[in-house]
Amino acid sequence: GAVVSQHPSRVICKSGTSVKIECRSLDFQATTMFWYRQFPKQSLMLMATSNEGSKATYEQGVEKDKFLINHASLTLSTLTVTSAHPEDSSFYICKVSSGGSDTQYFGPGTRLTVL
Amino acid sequence: GENVEQHPSTLSVQEGDSAVIKCTYSDSASNYFPWYKQELGKGPQLIIDIRSNVGEKKDQRIAVTLNKTAKHFSLHITETQPEDSAVYFCAASPLTGGGNKLTFGTGTQLKVEL
Repeated sequence: GAVVSQHPSRVICKSGTSVKIECRSLDFQATTMFWYRQFPKQSLMLMATSNEGSKATYEQGVEKDKFLINHASLTLSTLTVTSAHPEDSSFYICKVSSGGSDTQYFGPGTRLTVL
Repeated sequence: GENVEQHPSTLSVQEGDSAVIKCTYSDSASNYFPWYKQELGKGPQLIIDIRSNVGEKKDQRIAVTLNKTAKHFSLHITETQPEDSAVYFCAASPLTGGGNKLTFGTGTQLKVEL
């Protein structure tokens, strides 16, 4: 069965609005969650790493005020795209891991389209 | 930082043939190497991984080999089937522990033709 879920699976919004994406670890407590962005036919680009109960660590070039990450519990992390613009349209994917294993599982992804 | 290169970018094989995808990495400290399969519109799915203490790992039709000296690792798919068609990504991580960042290759579009 699924290890990680994301909601919504796809969202279309108007430019200037904010969109929240949820990532849930279903099978284990995820001490660390990662958020990726993937443009069509490209590889996965890490945006940020979030640890439960602490602030997320953002990759260079990723605006932390635009992409708000909250990892409030060991099973839930949220990514909020604030004031979304068409260039934010992308496939956003979370990845979870437990602290005791290298194995990491991706969520099914969220397709964001900003009109 | 780590740099992972992946080849080829596209690969077409006939059903039943074998497919091989190769990756190289730059950081000699990397010791965890997973492979992911991504179907269109879906998140990547872990299909096999290998750690630096072994040179080869096999799971049914899928195998991965690792050469730490040469810093390269490969994915081998035997008896390919149409459902193997997808994008495959290799990755490398320099440290053990689930919280470490993976560096991904650029992906290989595999097409298995009937």
